[in-house]
Amino acid sequence: GQSLEQPSEVTAVEGAIVQINCTYQTSGFYGLSWYQQHDGGAPTFLSYNALDGLEETGRFSSFLSRSDSYGYLLLQELQMKDSASYFCAVSPGNTGGFKTIFGAGTRLFVKA
Amino acid sequence: EAGVAQSPRYKIIEKRQSVAFWCNPISGHATLYWYQQILGQGPKLLIQFQNNGVVDDSQLPKDRFSAERLKGVDSTLKIQPAKLEDSAVYLCASSQTASGNTIYFGEGSWLTVV
Repeated sequence: GQSLEQPSEVTAVEGAIVQINCTYQTSGFYGLSWYQQHDGGAPTFLSYNALDGLEETGRFSSFLSRSDSYGYLLLQELQMKDSASYFCAVSPGNTGGFKTIFGAGTRLFVKA
Repeated sequence: EAGVAQSPRYKIIEKRQSVAFWCNPISGHATLYWYQQILGQGPKLLIQFQNNGVVDDSQLPKDRFSAERLKGVDSTLKIQPAKLEDSAVYLCASSQTASGNTIYFGEGSWLTVV
């Protein structure tokens, strides 16, 4: 089977750095993605890691360790608008039937 | 570039009634997904199409849910008869390939079953 685990909630202060972790178990693996979802909105793509290491996109970075089945999303210079839910998602590839599975999400609260 | 289009945005029905949701993916995207998202949870994959074929429908409650993508473009998800626990947002999404590394979501169809 396939499963992902991420913390349910994280709280941080505006201007700070926050890390949201994700561990996964899948029968196959293509890559790990991260999505942001504001209340009432649709999930939007943030980043994708297929190889080990850090991918940086502006204030957001994502890290993957395939050997540890672990990844994280790093948000720097937090802004109030970053308050949202963040989902990690695994693309298992053909051995996993190509089903992209999402975690339960981490609710990020950014305080002033 | 136009995004994923869904309709209706909101629907309220009584239990045991039927409802249908429509989705038009981003032009050229071969893979189309229907996800169910219950409030406070992550999106749960119901069915995934590659062109007009089904890649996976293992979590689709087939006694009441059906979906089709006849011409490999737009898709319809139907629920009949609806139950109270079907109250959720139904998200349609698409991606260029089945690897699913970048999935684009529509705004969702919000269903309330009373």
